[in-house]
Amino acid sequence: NAGVMQNPRHLVRRRGQEARLRCSPMKGHSHVYWYRQLPEEGLKFMVYLQKENIIDESGMPKERFSAEFPKEGPSILRIQQVVRGDSAAYFCASSPQAPGGYTFGSGTRLTVV
Amino acid sequence: DQQVKQNSPSLSVQEGRISILNCDYTNSMFDYFLWYKKYPAEGPTFLISISSIKDKNEDGRFTVFLNKSAKHLSLHIVPSQPGDSAVYFCAASARGGSQGNLIFGKGTKLSVKP
Repeated sequence: NAGVMQNPRHLVRRRGQEARLRCSPMKGHSHVYWYRQLPEEGLKFMVYLQKENIIDESGMPKERFSAEFPKEGPSILRIQQVVRGDSAAYFCASSPQAPGGYTFGSGTRLTVV
Repeated sequence: DQQVKQNSPSLSVQEGRISILNCDYTNSMFDYFLWYKKYPAEGPTFLISISSIKDKNEDGRFTVFLNKSAKHLSLHIVPSQPGDSAVYFCAASARGGSQGNLIFGKGTKLSVKP
């Protein structure tokens, strides 16, 4: 009975490389959300997806960031040409259609060197 | 522009006493509020929520109070236990909490001393 699975847990990238973060939602959950937590900050919403659809990407930076949730497989958050400011913890959450139903994964800690 | 504010970065409480964590918000469109608890190196865990049609919701040792006129909510933990030591985030939603993004505060680190 797995919860929200995120991998990798830790990811180190050099400036200019690409980072791919994966999220498998809980069984039965069809809504996926990505949040970013910068040091000493709260979680900031990035994007909300359902299968094959981006519902709300109002929190995504306009450049270098993209997200998908394909029909099969995990949701992917992709960051191209990473910069030091991208270093953060990235959390994925999933929910069924119910209030308060967010379940978060353990996060991926991205470090850009 | 912070729409959800947790003005106390940290709080220290003796075991067995009450912990009160506060949260203020500015957006009058928020209609659903949640509290999450987070341990280091883990994701946030949902604790308790409250709809704007209520002013109190209780679940075991945890009670959330909502004062809409003051745009203020608080989480009470009674009695506090050492295992409650964590960072607590207040979050708000303008869509009944069912879909869409949550707006989080910066968190309050609670330390419960034995």
